[in-house]
Amino acid sequence: GQNIDQPTEMTATEGAIVQINCTYQTSGFNGLFWYQQHAGEAPTFLSYNVLDGLEEKGRFSSFLSRSKGYSYLLLKELQMKDSASYLCAVRDEGYSTLTFGKGTMLLVSP
Amino acid sequence: DVKVTQSSRYLVKRTGEKVFLECVQDMDHENMFWYRQDPGLGLRLIYFSYDVKMKEKGDIPEGYSVSREKKERFSLILESASTNQTSMYLCAEGEFGQPQHFGDGTRLSIL
Repeated sequence: GQNIDQPTEMTATEGAIVQINCTYQTSGFNGLFWYQQHAGEAPTFLSYNVLDGLEEKGRFSSFLSRSKGYSYLLLKELQMKDSASYLCAVRDEGYSTLTFGKGTMLLVSP
Repeated sequence: DVKVTQSSRYLVKRTGEKVFLECVQDMDHENMFWYRQDPGLGLRLIYFSYDVKMKEKGDIPEGYSVSREKKERFSLILESASTNQTSMYLCAEGEFGQPQHFGDGTRLSIL
């Protein structure tokens, strides 16, 4: 089975940097995904890590350490529109299904 | 751009009714998924399909069934709706090794 933990809520200020952590214990691992979900909307894909290290994509970066079962999503130069829920998801080795964490609600204030 | 279309954004049904939620994708991809999303519980996988007429149970299949008669369409069926099936239902599609893309969701209320 899969167990994925991430903080429930975080707050940050516009223009700042925030790091959202995700830890996982899984029976199989074939990649970790981060999604963003605004209230009332569908989750949208942000980033994907399958090897250890940092993946950078504009203001967003994601890091993975497979030996530690740990990932983080780093958001730089925060904007008000970044207020959303951020979902960490682990893909298994078989059918390519995802198991999601419960999500981290990020509130960006002026 | 990938497009996943769910037939209804909001739906209200009564206890005991048979409910159909429809999902269509335009990318000719093999894999399609049905999730429900509840506060405090996150996204949970109900069923998925990796080919036409193929289906696999996810983590919470009880009370649900699915149908995949054509590659582009994946239907979720509530055989006899109950109030504990009130939830947001999300359909997704994705190739092996690629991110999943989601529809806009159906907010289903069972009265």
